[in-house]
Amino acid sequence: EAGVAQSPRYKIIEKRQSVAFWCNPISGHATLYWYQQILGQGPKLLIQFQNNGVVDDSQLPKDRFSAERLKGVDSTLKIQPAKLEDSAVYLCASSSGGWVRSGANVLTFGAGSRLTVL
Amino acid sequence: DAKTTQPPSMDCAEGRAANLPCNHSTISGNEYVYWYRQIHSQGPQYIIHGLKNNETNEMASLIITEDRKSSTLILPHATLRDTAVYYCIVLGYTGKLIFGQGTTLQVKP
Repeated sequence: EAGVAQSPRYKIIEKRQSVAFWCNPISGHATLYWYQQILGQGPKLLIQFQNNGVVDDSQLPKDRFSAERLKGVDSTLKIQPAKLEDSAVYLCASSSGGWVRSGANVLTFGAGSRLTVL
Repeated sequence: DAKTTQPPSMDCAEGRAANLPCNHSTISGNEYVYWYRQIHSQGPQYIIHGLKNNETNEMASLIITEDRKSSTLILPHATLRDTAVYYCIVLGYTGKLIFGQGTTLQVKP
């Protein structure tokens, strides 16, 4: 099966500019996640979608970050305006869900989008 | 969600078994233990998961203690390509994977 697709792979912007990242999950996967990974740290969950609804966005800095998942498939993560501390890799992951019933929730990750804010 | 504790780094000789420990003393009865790894410049990759019983797949074995408070990931014959950061994660009822700092495994020739 095709993996999780993300674009762009690399993006360099000036602070206060805006940027958008796109994610196409594995076909049929109901759950989609966006993680932020700062250099030297583990991935941090920003937002979790179930189909096109938000399950958890408690760690999303909503004053500057926004995310949507149109029609329960593709997703876009936007940052506006960007700050220096937003420099990170933004990882998208998807899973079939179903962990409530089975306890199994295997996430498949994309390669990530590396953002550098100057 | 239960937290996990892992050593920050470990070394292993190529061809030998790599045993990566994880402590999850606050795990609840219905929470699974997951292991992922992240090779440099790639997204995390699923390795294995388990609840109570030991598990084995083509990548690794997972040994969970009887009290479920700790586990060990075993790579039976480590290669240089196994050099990565390994994350032990307890999956809670929310379905969220919360990553810690992980263990950086360096496989040496």
